Amino acid sequence: RKEVEQDPGPFNVPEGATVAFNCTYSNSASQSFFWYRQDCRKEPKLLMSVYSSGNEDGRFTAQLNRASQYISLLIRDSKLSDSATYLCVVNNFNKFYFGSGTKLNVKP
Amino acid sequence: DVKVTQSSRYLVKRTGEKVFLECVQDMDHENMFWYRQDPGLGLRLIYFSYDVKMKEKGDIPEGYSVSREKKERFSLILESASTNQTSMYLCASSVLAGDTDTQYFGPGTRLTVL
Repeated sequence: RKEVEQDPGPFNVPEGATVAFNCTYSNSASQSFFWYRQDCRKEPKLLMSVYSSGNEDGRFTAQLNRASQYISLLIRDSKLSDSATYLCVVNNFNKFYFGSGTKLNVKP
Repeated sequence: DVKVTQSSRYLVKRTGEKVFLECVQDMDHENMFWYRQDPGLGLRLIYFSYDVKMKEKGDIPEGYSVSREKKERFSLILESASTNQTSMYLCASSVLAGDTDTQYFGPGTRLTVL
């Protein structure tokens, strides 16, 4: 079983839409959680860390549900520039495990 | 800004060749990592290092070795390249492991083994 699982998508949404991604992880002892963004043919870059209390950064909201072992990312008012692949990342004992990514296409 | 650089963006090698992939970071980070990224499989950890001359195996170390002689440089070595090692290789560095750890990635090396 994979450490981190994500729906690969693609999610095709119009500009201005709200879109949500979920990710599940298998190790209940995982310590920290992140969302990374990866543009086509580019390296991953940190989008935001995910805290137990939930956290928001502008149009982006991340939630962690430890009981159900899933992480979510909500994007409000989607922009064309949000088109990318979003990677869910889990840290287990100083090793990072990456999901295979969810592809988002925001259309005009 | 943190900068992680990799020696080549694109590399083509032949089966059986010894291949060196170099990674350099300029922020004095203790931790460095090598991943490969393949479609549908995501990033998989090959090796990582928390200090000079220290290395630990990741999830897929077979066919690879690493070297960290200086803090800023972490090299990935394919002793005898094979076609199943055709992939995108990504190097990353970070300061601490934990809740606030952030990995900074290099631009990647797309390796093709013929």
